Amino acid sequence: DAGITQSPRHKVTETGTPVTLRCHQTENHRYMYWYRQDPGHGLRLIHYSYGVKDTDKGEVSDGYSVSRSKTEDFLLTLESATSSQTSVYFCAISGGDYITDTQYFGPGTRLTVL
Amino acid sequence: GIQVEQSPPDLILQEGANSTLRCNFSDSVNNLQWFHQNPWGQLINLFYIPSGTKQNGRLSATTVATERYSLLYISSSQTTDSGVYFCAFTGGGNKLTFGTGTQLKVEL
Repeated sequence: DAGITQSPRHKVTETGTPVTLRCHQTENHRYMYWYRQDPGHGLRLIHYSYGVKDTDKGEVSDGYSVSRSKTEDFLLTLESATSSQTSVYFCAISGGDYITDTQYFGPGTRLTVL
Repeated sequence: GIQVEQSPPDLILQEGANSTLRCNFSDSVNNLQWFHQNPWGQLINLFYIPSGTKQNGRLSATTVATERYSLLYISSSQTTDSGVYFCAFTGGGNKLTFGTGTQLKVEL
């Protein structure tokens, strides 16, 4: 199994509060991704990174920001959480030459915004 | 965008049975992958299969890119095969798009 951890694994927060989710990898992979999974929508890409300090938007990036200051860490921040951001968040990594090579997923973070 | 249809949406099998899951695409896709999400939510990459056939134990996958479909075969199913199976692909950009999945339950 790829070495990917996410923290926290569960979080309950209130509307309007900032939230940061962390993804940590021990594989030295170049690409890292944040997805959200919702019933009826499947998995949707929020943001991705193709190197330290190199990030780009995905399909559902509004309300989210990311940072990658080290190869091993990719942070997802909700500046002001809303109830529509209640979801399960997955981090993924891939280490090939292309952004679309085989992806490996972390265990997920269940976020509830009240 | 490219439309993807996974079938069947739900499937119940008796342990030991075989099954075929399918992904159909409305246009040419690239970088086709199959994932399994177990009942505890963990997503596991099964195959990276942009074309051709691959096998891994009781699982095998075939992608026929020219005909816009991919198949996942599960033989001698076990209760641990239960969960949701997703196909995912890129359609010209660099974003991996996931299908809506096939929910599989394997019963004793």
